[in-house]
Amino acid sequence: AQSVTQPDIHITVSEGASLELRCNYSYGATPYLFWYVQSPGQGLQLLLKYFSGDTLVQGIKGFEAEFKRSQSSFNLRKPSVHWSDAAEYFCAVGAAAGNKLTFGGGTRVLVKP
Amino acid sequence: NAGVTQTPKFRILKIGQSMTLQCTQDMNHNYMYWYRQDPGMGLKLIYYSVGAGITDKGEVPNGYNVSRSTTEDFPLRLELAAPSQTSVYFCASSYSGGATLETQYFGPGTRLLVL
Repeated sequence: AQSVTQPDIHITVSEGASLELRCNYSYGATPYLFWYVQSPGQGLQLLLKYFSGDTLVQGIKGFEAEFKRSQSSFNLRKPSVHWSDAAEYFCAVGAAAGNKLTFGGGTRVLVKP
Repeated sequence: NAGVTQTPKFRILKIGQSMTLQCTQDMNHNYMYWYRQDPGMGLKLIYYSVGAGITDKGEVPNGYNVSRSTTEDFPLRLELAAPSQTSVYFCASSYSGGATLETQYFGPGTRLLVL
């Protein structure tokens, strides 16, 4: 069965500093990987996704993620965070059959001024 | 496009009551999903549907029922509410996966409190 682990429950970062969120997955085949962001009181919005090809994926809002098969990881990064990046971030792995996703527990990001 | 809409936004239920959470999408997606979100647990799939008239169980289906009579609507029914069903419920939709995985689009959520 597929699974996703986000080791950091909370991260606090200063505005303008870099951010990296960790994601480790377990999946038997080539994974489909996603990062979603959830702002307070809102639904989930897709930041980026990886299906195949280039292992460095660019997303919206200046985010990028790198797929590392050898480490079963798909970490999310942003070079310089803005106060509006304060949100909860979810990593997910998917199976093409049924188009189903398995989500990690999420990482809540707090941005200090 | 409104995307995925959910009603109500918030509801308080008493133990044993029933209710239906509504979900509608206007993107002509054939796949639809219901998730629940509990603190620190991420989202868990309750039920999903690959088209009108076809539904299947997800990871946590107990205590819930669904139906899919149209492409647009995918209501979630709680028959006998229990405190364990206190959660935030999200509906999502996507095109069919086929050979690849399609992006799921999420509604704003329904917050349910069972007392």
